[in-house]
Amino acid sequence: DIQMTQSPSSLSASVGDRVTITCRASQSIDTYLNWYQQKPGKAPNLLIYAASSLQSGVPPRFSGSGSGTDFTLTITSLQPEDFASYYCQQSHRTPPTFGGGTKVEIK
Amino acid sequence: EVQLVESGGGLVQPGGSLRLSCAASGFTFSSDAMNWVRQSPGKGLEWVSYISSSSGSIEYADSVKGRFTISRDNAKKSLYLQMNSLRAEDTAVYYCARDVCSSTSCYYTNWGQGTLVTVSS
Repeated sequence: DIQMTQSPSSLSASVGDRVTITCRASQSIDTYLNWYQQKPGKAPNLLIYAASSLQSGVPPRFSGSGSGTDFTLTITSLQPEDFASYYCQQSHRTPPTFGGGTKVEIK
Repeated sequence: EVQLVESGGGLVQPGGSLRLSCAASGFTFSSDAMNWVRQSPGKGLEWVSYISSSSGSIEYADSVKGRFTISRDNAKKSLYLQMNSLRAEDTAVYYCARDVCSSTSCYYTNWGQGTLVTVSS
């Protein structure tokens, strides 16, 4: 199975901060990388697909980059509603696998 | 508006069975593959199973293979997960998720609200 490693596992940030979350795959996954946001008690919500494509309706302060094994999710100017957990997921090989998650908390 | 509504969760004893359902609306259900993804309390996301639009292709995570069966009824716009020989480690919120593919990735565009399965004596 392809292992997905996210870092950091948690971070504290303030409203207006720029936040970067990284995701590393155990082998090349081209651009078969997606990012989801999950708020407590809610289902995950797709933010970014194919490494850098913004899902419809997602604010442009969210962006993704990378290919191969190293990927980044960036939130420019963190907003109050962005405090949540974020997961990367590879869909290059079955089984699809998720990173362990990054919890973004209020500083 | 796309909606996915799971049902069928609950408390079951180890070794027991449960059948989850997911009712879809707001999109052409018969055109899209579907998945079950679970999340143990306080933990991360784990993919469980996949079924193609026509049921011609089915996949399972190793952790559930031989115990769980995914199926769908396109006429009823419904997805199912039959779970047998349940174990404590199957305790989780189970989500159904719509699978969409572009030329460069496949991804879960819509998720249900989840249904909690608790396996305990």
